[in-house]
Amino acid sequence: DARVTQTPRHKVTEMGQEVTMRCQPILGHNTVFWYRQTMMQGLELLAYFRNRAPLDDSGMPKDRFSAEMPDATLATLKIQPSEPRDSAVYFCASGLVKKSGGAVEEDEQFFGPGTRLTVL
Amino acid sequence: GQQLNQSPQSMFIQEGEDVSMNCTSSSIFNTWLWYKQDPGEGPVLLIALYKAGELTSNGRLTAQFGITRKDSFLNISASIPSDVGIYFCAGLSGSQGNLIFGKGTKLSVKP
Repeated sequence: DARVTQTPRHKVTEMGQEVTMRCQPILGHNTVFWYRQTMMQGLELLAYFRNRAPLDDSGMPKDRFSAEMPDATLATLKIQPSEPRDSAVYFCASGLVKKSGGAVEEDEQFFGPGTRLTVL
Repeated sequence: GQQLNQSPQSMFIQEGEDVSMNCTSSSIFNTWLWYKQDPGEGPVLLIALYKAGELTSNGRLTAQFGITRKDSFLNISASIPSDVGIYFCAGLSGSQGNLIFGKGTKLSVKP
């Protein structure tokens, strides 16, 4: 049963602390996405990796957020320093890019269970 | 940037009723996806649509990819209590390579 896993599921921290969220994409998938979900903004894309290379991180506040893929089985999202406005649910999703006749086609994204972050 | 307008925002229906929700955009998408999110969980893919005009069913769910490629709808027939949740549409355009999500439709089903 292939699933995206995320750790931790819940994190409560104090303002100013560093937060690291981890994601294990589905084996064989070559795209990874980080989303943030809040009541006000809905699902917002933070970062997008294809074959471990960052393709789009324009949705991510660069001064405090960083996203990396140390290897194909691990993606991390780090916030340093954290602020109360960062409180949200952070989702990781993975997918598979296919190539058909030379064209690149994105496949569906499969979401992890999320990390609920509370910054006090 | 690209945006999706999803409606309605919320629905309160009686068990057994049919449900319809839709998404529209001013932009063209190559793929439309419909997700359902249960409380405390991540969105789960329900239906994927890849061709304009395509009509796809998954059990009691039916979704269509609009001919103009700027809209999609999702129908749920004979709703049951476990249909409760938030339904999201998402569009994928080849130029961006990432999903654009609607704001969601919150469905409540009264037994």
